Amino acid sequence: DAGITQSPRHKVTETGTPVTLRCHQTENHRYMYWYRQDPGHGLRLIHYSYGVKDTDKGEVSDGYSVSRSKTEDFLLTLESATSSQTSVYFCAIRDGRDTGELFFGEGSRLTVL
Amino acid sequence: EDQVTQSPEALRLQEGESSSLNCSYTVSGLRGLFWYRQDPGKGPEFLFTLYSAGEEKEKERLKATLTKKESFLHITAPKPEDSATYLCAGEYNFNKFYFGSGTKLNVKP
Repeated sequence: DAGITQSPRHKVTETGTPVTLRCHQTENHRYMYWYRQDPGHGLRLIHYSYGVKDTDKGEVSDGYSVSRSKTEDFLLTLESATSSQTSVYFCAIRDGRDTGELFFGEGSRLTVL
Repeated sequence: EDQVTQSPEALRLQEGESSSLNCSYTVSGLRGLFWYRQDPGKGPEFLFTLYSAGEEKEKERLKATLTKKESFLHITAPKPEDSATYLCAGEYNFNKFYFGSGTKLNVKP
């Protein structure tokens, strides 16, 4: 158990509404990530964080913002949700080693109507 | 350009029928090659990391190998509980992981 909790696990919302997904870790890991998983596309990186207030964009960052004000929490925000953002979102963590693997949360399923 | 490509998309095996899953990757810039298992409704679960051609890692019925342009996940005498989607990922530049679309394995008793 890597100590990662995602919330909410399921959410249905309407187009144009803001949505925030939360990732909480208990292991004090430095690196945290947000991925989305869609059929036929695999897992794609949205944003990642390498420390408090330090974040960087991934390959599919348009329409998403992130914040990390505490080591343990990494928030993903959709300012104005669109149907194309219907997906399963996974948070992942990595320890400080240069060659460490990622550990994933259980996922948050978001449906935008 | 896809950094990581997996094949086949789906594989159906009889219990005990050994086989291999393929992961082709872009060689330039690879820092490490990772294998994960994902069960329905769950997050990916880490299996192996490979760093250099010729390296092999084993865990129960699974063995991962790495050549200069491909990685293979060999499954020996699979059981129904090995049914899952297997994901391959390459790390290019620190912290940039690129995942393949996965191979969905179904092992029939």
